[in-house]
Amino acid sequence: SQTIHQWPATLVQPVGSPLSLECTVEGTSNPNLYWYRQAAGRGLQLLFYSVGIGQISSEVPQNLSASRPQDRQFILSSKKLLLSDSGFYLCAWSGSWGNQPQHFGDGTRLSIL
Amino acid sequence: DAKTTQPPSMDCAEGRAANLPCNHSTISGNEYVYWYRQIHSQGPQYIIHGLKNNETNEMASLIITEDRKSSTLILPHATLRDTAVYYCIVSLYNQGGKLIFGQGTELSVKP
Repeated sequence: SQTIHQWPATLVQPVGSPLSLECTVEGTSNPNLYWYRQAAGRGLQLLFYSVGIGQISSEVPQNLSASRPQDRQFILSSKKLLLSDSGFYLCAWSGSWGNQPQHFGDGTRLSIL
Repeated sequence: DAKTTQPPSMDCAEGRAANLPCNHSTISGNEYVYWYRQIHSQGPQYIIHGLKNNETNEMASLIITEDRKSSTLILPHATLRDTAVYYCIVSLYNQGGKLIFGQGTELSVKP
C-alpha cells in the first residue's frame, strides 16, 4: 500500500533562518505531489504541485520554493523565513492517471519566532 | 474551478445519520465532486468522490443531484470520531488534480 511521510512534525524557527521540509511517498510511481499551507482557523491553500521530476508549478507568489529531485521526494524550502510563513504545512500525493484523489501526510506545524 | 458553498457548522446525534450539504451551482460538466475531512491538527482525509452517479464506500455515501448543482455527503451512523471539518471540493482532474479548499462544515457529533 502507499504511504506518505512528512517530517518534522513540528518546527520552531527564527525569522530570517532557512527552511527545508521533506516529503516522501512509498508504494507508487510517478505520483503527482502537492504542498499546501493552512493558516490557523482557515482552509488549505495550494502552494506548489508537481507532475514529474523537476516539474514544479507555483500557485501563489511567496517566500517559498519547491523542488522534486526524485520521483517520490518533494521538498519545500525557504532561504529566509518571514513571520507570515507560520502555519501548518501539508504534503499530498495522487495517482497521475484519471481522477485520482489526493492523500495527505500528517503535516508539519511551523512556528516562526 | 467551480466554487462550493457549505454551512459553517452542523450538529448530529451519535448513531444518527449525518447529512452534509454542498452547493456547486457553477460546476462544469467534467468537474468531479470530492469530499475530505480534517480532524483537528491532522492532515485531511479523503472520503469519497463522484462525477454524476451516486457513490458509496465503507465510509460514506455521496448523493449528487441530477443537475449536478448540489450534493450531499451522508455518514450513515455518525460516531464521536466523525467530529471534524468536512470539505466539499470540485476539481478538474486534468489540471494536475488541484484542489481548492473552502472553509468547510464543522460537524460536531454529540452523545
